[in-house]
Amino acid sequence: DTEVTQTPKHLVMGMTNKKSLKCEQHMGHRAMYWYKQKAKKPPELMFVYSYEKLSINESVPSRFSPECPNSSLLNLHLHALQPEDSALYLCASSHILVNSGANVLTFGAGSRLTVL
Amino acid sequence: DAKTTQPNSMESNEEEPVHLPCNHSTISGTDYIHWYRQLPSQGPEYVIHGLTSNVNNRMASLAIAEDRKSSTLILHRATLRDAAVYYCILMPLRRGSTLGRLYFGRGTQLTVWP
Repeated sequence: DTEVTQTPKHLVMGMTNKKSLKCEQHMGHRAMYWYKQKAKKPPELMFVYSYEKLSINESVPSRFSPECPNSSLLNLHLHALQPEDSALYLCASSHILVNSGANVLTFGAGSRLTVL
Repeated sequence: DAKTTQPNSMESNEEEPVHLPCNHSTISGTDYIHWYRQLPSQGPEYVIHGLTSNVNNRMASLAIAEDRKSSTLILHRATLRDAAVYYCILMPLRRGSTLGRLYFGRGTQLTVWP
C-alpha cells in the first residue's frame, strides 16, 4: 500500500459546526503532515507529527486542532471556522530519516472544505 | 531557508522533451533539491530529488549545475498527463531535526499541447 487516503473528499460546513478531516496511511511512515492550499496558491505547512507527537505548529489558529491517535491515522478537528478557511486540506506522510534533507513526502488527494 | 525561483509558466508539445529550470543561488551545501508536481485536483506528487550529482528515475532526470546554484528537471517525452504545476523545493539538513518539511514556492505551470 503506497497511498495516503483522505476522507471526506468534500465537506461543507457552517461557521458554528464541528467537523473532522481524516487521513490514513499504511506505509509505516512515522511522520505525518497537514497542509492547507488556497485556490491558485501553493500548499502551506500547518502541522507536523513525529512518532504521534506534535512537533511543529506553524502558528495555526486554535480553531484547527490536530490529533494523531496512532501511527496510521491523522485527524484535523475543525470548529468555529471562517469562510476564509475554505481551502483544500492536504495530508502527507514520510519516513523519519537521520538525513532530513532526503525525506520524501507522499501526499493524499486532499479534502476540499467550504465554510459557509 | 534558501528560496527558489522558477518561471511562472512553460509550454511544450506532446512527445517533445521539456526542460524546467530552477534557480537557487543561496543554496547551502547541505540543501537537497526536490521536485514535486501537482496535477489538477490532486495532491502534490514526488518526482525526484538530488544533492550534487545528476539523478535519473522512471519519471524524469534532474540535472544539477556544478556550483549548485541552479537545476533543471527534464521530462524526456512530455505527455498530456504531465500537464501540472512543478515545484522546485530546497529541503535542508536541519541539525536536531529528522523531519522532511517542504515549503512550496509558486512553481511552474506546464501546459502540454497535443
